[in-house]
Amino acid sequence: AQSVTQPDIHITVSEGASLELRCNYSYGATPYLFWYVQSPGQGLQLLLKYFSGDTLVQGIKGFEAEFKRSQSSFNLRKPSVHWSDAAEYFCAVGLGGGKLIFGQGTELSVKP
Amino acid sequence: DTEVTQTPKHLVMGMTNKKSLKCEQHMGHRAMYWYKQKAKKPPELMFVYSYEKLSINESVPSRFSPECPNSSLLNLHLHALQPEDSALYLCASSQVFAGGLSDTQYFGPGTRLTVL
Repeated sequence: AQSVTQPDIHITVSEGASLELRCNYSYGATPYLFWYVQSPGQGLQLLLKYFSGDTLVQGIKGFEAEFKRSQSSFNLRKPSVHWSDAAEYFCAVGLGGGKLIFGQGTELSVKP
Repeated sequence: DTEVTQTPKHLVMGMTNKKSLKCEQHMGHRAMYWYKQKAKKPPELMFVYSYEKLSINESVPSRFSPECPNSSLLNLHLHALQPEDSALYLCASSQVFAGGLSDTQYFGPGTRLTVL
């Protein structure tokens, strides 16, 4: 069965430190992969997506993600976190036909 | 422009009320979606419209009634809701290709619904 796992429910990093949020997926075919960010009480904003080609994809707000087929992973990274990055982050796999499977989310806190 | 708008931002209703949520997009997308999101959980798909026709209903109770009057608008009519229906309701849209619906979905800010 298709699934998405975000192993870390909550992560706290210091402002200016680097960040890596983990995402593992289970999907038989070549996946379409997404990272979304959600600030409290807001909708989801698309950070980046991977369909094919270069396995390192750049997104908005200085985020990047790397697709590793051998590890079934699509981890999100940022070299220097800002206080405004504090939010909930969702990894998702596209099944086609408009269906997305979301991970359970990782809540990011940023300490000054 | 990747904006999806939703109104109202907040809605409080009693269990006997009838209300509607509205969603609008002007990206030329022909697929639109309703999701329900409880606190600290990922969004759950409720309905999908493609070319103004309902294509997916994820076994949602009939007290939720979607409507897609045109390619830019999506409504969710609410009637006789229960307190457990309180949640953030998100609308999204995507393109439709020859091979099917694009998985790249753009979300609105949501409507926070409270059922008393």
